[in-house]
Amino acid sequence: NAGVTQTPKFQVLKTGQSMTLQCAQDMNHNSMYWYRQDPGMGLRLIYYSASEGTTDKGEVPNGYNVSRLNKREFSLRLESAAPSQTSVYFCASSEGWGAQETQYFGPGTRLLVL
Amino acid sequence: AQSVTQLGSHVSVSEGALVLLRCNYSSSVPPYLFWYVQYPNQGLQLLLKYTSAATLVKGINGFEAEFKKSETSFHLTKPSAHMSDAAEYFCAVSDPLYGGSQGNLIFGKGTKLSVKP
Repeated sequence: NAGVTQTPKFQVLKTGQSMTLQCAQDMNHNSMYWYRQDPGMGLRLIYYSASEGTTDKGEVPNGYNVSRLNKREFSLRLESAAPSQTSVYFCASSEGWGAQETQYFGPGTRLLVL
Repeated sequence: AQSVTQLGSHVSVSEGALVLLRCNYSSSVPPYLFWYVQYPNQGLQLLLKYTSAATLVKGINGFEAEFKKSETSFHLTKPSAHMSDAAEYFCAVSDPLYGGSQGNLIFGKGTKLSVKP
């Protein structure tokens, strides 16, 4: 049981390049999330998926797209990377309702855009 | 909209001393509250959560937090710090505006805890 996995762990891009961050979970969770973490800013939600086949914008969606490929996988795409997208990206998943719900986080992807 | 304020971006304590990390939230309704810990170059790990069952919540690694509605606070404490507690700690509140049942987590900016020998 690997929990939430993310690939790659580290990536360097040039401005304007595109890439996809991959996330997979093996806990059979319905909900999945993408966050970005910037120094002194905490984590901010980019996109989320409440169930397979649905995605919705979070607090900072501009410049990103997502795909909920199936129940296990939730990818984040940068179509034209910008230096402002330099950040650490975390994927999370959750299941349950109310008091039973807990989000589980992956190890993160460090992205540097030059 | 809900928000979370963590007082002090850096806290330093001596090994064996009390750890107190402060968190205040703003919410129009009683929220769910969380403390997460992040060790260097790792993801976030849940320490504990408040879901209205009890105001004093015990978590992993000897940490606990008390929900005080009158003060809108959810401070994290540990009686005796250990070197292995050095990490960044995030307070978070659930926001049902986004996501599933609990919705999105609104995070504070984090507090880095240093433990001196």
